[in-house]
Amino acid sequence: AQKVTQAQTEISVVEKEDVTLDCVYETRDTTYYLFWYKQPPSGELVFLIRRNSFDEQNEISGRYSWNFQKSTSSFNFTITASQVVDSAVYFCALSMNRDDKIIFGKGTRLHILP
Amino acid sequence: DGGITQSPKYLFRKEGQNVTLSCEQNLNHDAMYWYRQDPGQGLRLIYYSQIVNDFQKGDIAEGYSVSREKKESFPLTVTSAQKNPTAFYLCASREQTGVSSYNEQFFGPGTRLTVL
Repeated sequence: AQKVTQAQTEISVVEKEDVTLDCVYETRDTTYYLFWYKQPPSGELVFLIRRNSFDEQNEISGRYSWNFQKSTSSFNFTITASQVVDSAVYFCALSMNRDDKIIFGKGTRLHILP
Repeated sequence: DGGITQSPKYLFRKEGQNVTLSCEQNLNHDAMYWYRQDPGQGLRLIYYSQIVNDFQKGDIAEGYSVSREKKESFPLTVTSAQKNPTAFYLCASREQTGVSSYNEQFFGPGTRLTVL
């Protein structure tokens, strides 16, 4: 079965602290794709990053970085020097090659306190 | 500007009434999706469509119906058979070219439905 687990339901940190959001996935497919989305209070999900199963290189984009480790089936997301604008719900998601569905985790609500 | 529109943003209905949520996209995407979001539940797939005049049930299709008569439009009807329809509904679309499962979904702003 395919599954995405985001064990952290809610996290609160003080502004400028670093924070890591965990994502663990399950799939027997060898080809798959992982995504992170941000949902600000407005409600619309915003795409952040995509990774395919053959590319384990970590990625950095400004204050955001992602650590993909196939050995532990994890795709964790770190925000460095967090800002209040980072407050949102963050979703990790999994997509397989054989169908058009995306499986979402339950999300992590992140509060950045001023 | 290309994107997905959902209307209205807030919708109130009496129990027992059917209601239709609108979703329109001008991204020229073949695939469209409907999700339901409840607090603490994440996103759950209701229906999806990969091509005009065809659609498939997702994980929680009972009490919902859809149509896909045009590429740009994928309306969702919440019927009186849906036991607990109050939720936030999100529509999304996705490009089908290349390896479609590689492509990200683009989301609309959502419709918050409250059944009184």
